[in-house]
Amino acid sequence: RKEVEQDPGPFNVPEGATVAFNCTYSNSASQSFFWYRQDCRKEPKLLMSVYSSGNEDGRFTAQLNRASQYISLLIRDSKLSDSATYLCVVNVLHQDEKLTFGTGTRLTIIP
Amino acid sequence: DADVTQTPRNRITKTGKRIMLECSQTKGHDRMYWYRQDPGLGLRLIYYSFDVKDINKGEISDGYSVSRQAQAKFSLSLESAIPNQTALYFCATSDPRGGYEQYFGPGTRLTVT
Repeated sequence: RKEVEQDPGPFNVPEGATVAFNCTYSNSASQSFFWYRQDCRKEPKLLMSVYSSGNEDGRFTAQLNRASQYISLLIRDSKLSDSATYLCVVNVLHQDEKLTFGTGTRLTIIP
Repeated sequence: DADVTQTPRNRITKTGKRIMLECSQTKGHDRMYWYRQDPGLGLRLIYYSFDVKDINKGEISDGYSVSRQAQAKFSLSLESAIPNQTALYFCATSDPRGGYEQYFGPGTRLTVT
């Protein structure tokens, strides 16, 4: 079983719609959670950290469910510029600062 | 100017050749990492370094070696390249005072024929 699992998609969503991704992680010692964004043939960049209480940054909302070991990302009022691959990333306690990356969910916003 | 740079950006080499990928950073971070990315497999850690005298193997270090020449420079070598090392390679840095966020270079696309 992969440590971090994501639906690879692709998700093809009309502009202005709301889209949500889920990600599950297998190690219950996971302590820090992130969503990274990766544009085609570019480097990953941090989109947002995910906190236990949930957090929001503009049109983006991230949630963490420790009991079920999943995190989610919600994008409201999607824009064409949101088209990218979204990587779920986890840090496990006592594994230094190593991050474990999911394989990513590909999102395409359709005009 | 980019904070994390990688050279070369693209490279085609033949099986058995030695190749070095270089990474430089101006962020002043102590921690540096090398990853490879393959379709369907995500990013996998090859090596990481927490300072100039500290080098650690990641999950897929076989066939690779690294050198931390200075705080700002971290090189990845393929001693004898093989076709299944064809991938997109990323260097990254982080600052322990800044949490776990990692900052990535633009990547090197390596093809081994």
